[in-house]
Amino acid sequence: AAGVIQSPRHLIKEKRETATLKCYPIPRHDTVYWYQQGPGQDPQFLISFYEKMQSDKGSIPDRFSAQQFSDYHSELNMSSLELGDSALYFCASSPAGGHSYEQYFGPGTRLTVT
Amino acid sequence: SQKIEQNSEALNIQEGKTATLTCNYTNYSPAYLQWYRQDPGRGPVFLLLIRENEKEKRKERLKVTFDTTLKQSLFHITASQPADSATYLCALDRGFGNEKLTFGTGTRLTIIP
Repeated sequence: AAGVIQSPRHLIKEKRETATLKCYPIPRHDTVYWYQQGPGQDPQFLISFYEKMQSDKGSIPDRFSAQQFSDYHSELNMSSLELGDSALYFCASSPAGGHSYEQYFGPGTRLTVT
Repeated sequence: SQKIEQNSEALNIQEGKTATLTCNYTNYSPAYLQWYRQDPGRGPVFLLLIRENEKEKRKERLKVTFDTTLKQSLFHITASQPADSATYLCALDRGFGNEKLTFGTGTRLTIIP
């Protein structure tokens, strides 16, 4: 079965650089979520999109922005990177209609800021 | 503020025994409680979802209970196997559909052969 695809899987950036993370949800899933997981921590919700519109926003820094495109893939743009941004970034998707509530997570992008 | 605690940061269980993990929450009225498994460096994998009007849910060797009065969920793995070793996360949402998940602190389970 198709799964959530994230790219790149690993990314190394220097402080103050920018990064773009991509997420391709499972086909026919219309909702995408972004989570950040620091070492030894639980995933923290950043932002979500439903039908290409932002549906919820968590503790996402102003330096970050995201969008969902017409093909439902999503991109998380991170600017002025800081050392503290080093983490695993997960994208998750859920099916259309809102009747299923479980989320399907991708393999994650490991971002290292040096 | 919302707080979700999983009582044991780490739990070691002998193979073949039942592993029981606890998820407690405060200042929160979720409608749905979910359990996920996460292996190191990988994304969480959905296991079970239980609704607030359900007391118990089962799937193969897994069982989840949900007590909204105690604000607690118990997650059981029966006949545990070394392959069950992973971090288990509980997560809450209000049940409106397509909503963010608020995760617990996680329990790292190790099944000892």
